[in-house]
This record gives sequence, structure tokens and C-alpha cells, in this order.
Amino acid sequence: SSELTQDPAVSVALGQTVRITCQGDSLRSYYASWYQQKPGQAPVVVIYGKNNRPSGIPDRFSGSSSGNTASLTITGAQAEDEADYYCNSRDSSGNHWVFGGGTKLTVL
Amino acid sequence: QVQLVESGGGVVQPGRSLRLSCAASGFTFSTYGIHWVRQAPGKGLEWVAVIWNDGSKQYYADSVKGRLTVSRDNSKNMVSLQMNSLKAEDTAVYYCARDVWDSESETRFDYWGQGTLVTVSS
Repeated sequence: SSELTQDPAVSVALGQTVRITCQGDSLRSYYASWYQQKPGQAPVVVIYGKNNRPSGIPDRFSGSSSGNTASLTITGAQAEDEADYYCNSRDSSGNHWVFGGGTKLTVL
Repeated sequence: QVQLVESGGGVVQPGRSLRLSCAASGFTFSTYGIHWVRQAPGKGLEWVAVIWNDGSKQYYADSVKGRLTVSRDNSKNMVSLQMNSLKAEDTAVYYCARDVWDSESETRFDYWGQGTLVTVSS
């Protein structure tokens, strides 16, 4: 199985732009999806595929990928974006999935 | 609307068994794979298992293989997770999540239940 690596914590000033990254060998073969989780709540998908947002997700959320790294960018971070963010993809076998360790985003 | 509701969690002693259920509604259940994902207290998300839409294939994380078994009954819109030989490290909130796949975007988990807490303790 493969791993996905995320920075444990990131902070951003209100209204500024922040990028959260996810590294792993499987990202060379599979797109990542990104999940936002607030305390006491189930995760919510915010980005999937090349750069797709589910209905209801603000357009300040975007995704990108290059080589073994996937990125989630929040342009103009809001207070309500403070949460844990997890990346996910299949592993190299294609039949298992793996989550990154999560990034705690603080909006200052 | 799409709903996934987990049940069956509780406190269980190490080595004992527990069966979780995930009841689905609001969509054509038999056309979607279902994953189980868990989260230990204060920790990150961990993928546990998946079952194909028709139940023909199941895959498990190495940490649970041989102890956890996922099954489904499409006539009842239900997925179950049979958990045997439970260990303290299985203590977590267990979520079921719907799998959506397309050839361009790959898999995402588009709907999640609210989770059910399993505590393994003597």
C-alpha cells in the first residue's frame, strides 16, 4: 500500500490564499479527492478529479495536480473554512484507498 | 434526499464481535459501491473497506483484513460490517460513505453517514 503525506497544520490570514498539499506515489496514477471536516461532523467532499467542485461548494476552493503532488487551494479564505482537510486516492494496487494524515487549517 | 445512517456501535470487550449497519435511502442503492471509513478519537480518517455495488468484490485495509467483513443486501438497501476479534486500536467512529466513480474524475465519497462510535475496552 502507498501513503499520502500532508502537512499537519497550516494557517492563513482572513481573505488570503492558502494551498494545502498532498504527496504520494499513487497520485501519479490517480486523482485525489479532498474532504473538509469540522469538529463533530462527517467529512464533506470539496474537490475531486482534475478540479471539480460538488454543488454547494464555494468557488474559492480549487484543486490541481502535478507529478506526485495534489493541491487544494482556497482563494480568499473565510472564517468558516477553518477545518481539517484530508486528501484521498486509490493506492498503487487500485483496489484500496488511502487518506492523507490531514491538515488542520487555521484562519487568523 | 440521499441518506446514510449507521447503527450498531457501542462498547465491546477486546476479542469480542460487533456488527455495524449502514441503512441507505434516497438513491438507487444497487448502483453504488459503499466504503467504510473510521476515525479514532482525535486522529485522522482511515479507509477500512469497500464493497462493490453488486456485492461481488470487497477489499480491506491491511489493518483489518481477516477480522472485518463487509456485506450488503440490496433488497434492504443495507450494508453491514461484521467486526470480529476486536482490538483496542479498532476504537473509532465508523462512517459509511457512498462511492461515485467516473472515468475522468476517479472515485470520490460524495455522501457520508453521521458515524457510529465503537469503543473496544475491558
